[in-house]
Amino acid sequence: AQRVTQPEKLLSVFKGAPVELKCNYSYSGSPELFWYVQYSRQRLQLLLRHISRESIKGFTADLNKGETSFHLKKPFAQEEDSAMYYCALKVFSGGYNKLIFGAGTRLAVHP
Amino acid sequence: AAGVIQSPRHLIKEKRETATLKCYPIPRHDTVYWYQQGPGQDPQFLISFYEKMQSDKGSIPDRFSAQQFSDYHSELNMSSLELGDSALYFCASSLNQGQGYSAEAFFGQGTRLTVV
Repeated sequence: AQRVTQPEKLLSVFKGAPVELKCNYSYSGSPELFWYVQYSRQRLQLLLRHISRESIKGFTADLNKGETSFHLKKPFAQEEDSAMYYCALKVFSGGYNKLIFGAGTRLAVHP
Repeated sequence: AAGVIQSPRHLIKEKRETATLKCYPIPRHDTVYWYQQGPGQDPQFLISFYEKMQSDKGSIPDRFSAQQFSDYHSELNMSSLELGDSALYFCASSLNQGQGYSAEAFFGQGTRLTVV
């Protein structure tokens, strides 16, 4: 079964604290994973993808195939990081791609 | 750079009415996806189109239909609207390069549909 699990609905931290948003996936094929961010009243935006191994706004995520995880991390949270974060898995079936989203984690960074 | 355009931004309809949502993908993108995001919910995949043909179908009710036109824009038609259809409807587009290629999906700002 193709599934993305984000176990935490809400993560509340103080500014400057480290952040880790958990994401686990289930997929029999070769996984391609993304993190999308949704700021209040704005569209979903791609934050980063595991293929490019980039760091955006201080966030990083490493694909761990052994643990089937793609956790999002940032060493020092900022107030502007407060948003909904969605982990997404790209699946390829029948010749086409689609994204499957996790339930999302709301990150609240307090001053 | 041009992004995914959705119209209208907001729509208020009464129960049992119909609604049409429009999506204009990024130029040269050949794939369009529709997602429904209820209040406090994660985006749920509805349907997708590749080169004007339906490529995948998710949890789209039978009351809804969609199509992709020759200029690659897509329309989501919703009939016999119910209160539970109130949600944010996102459209996304990408360039389908097949398995093994990172086809990033770019999202529109969404259409907020309120059924009263």
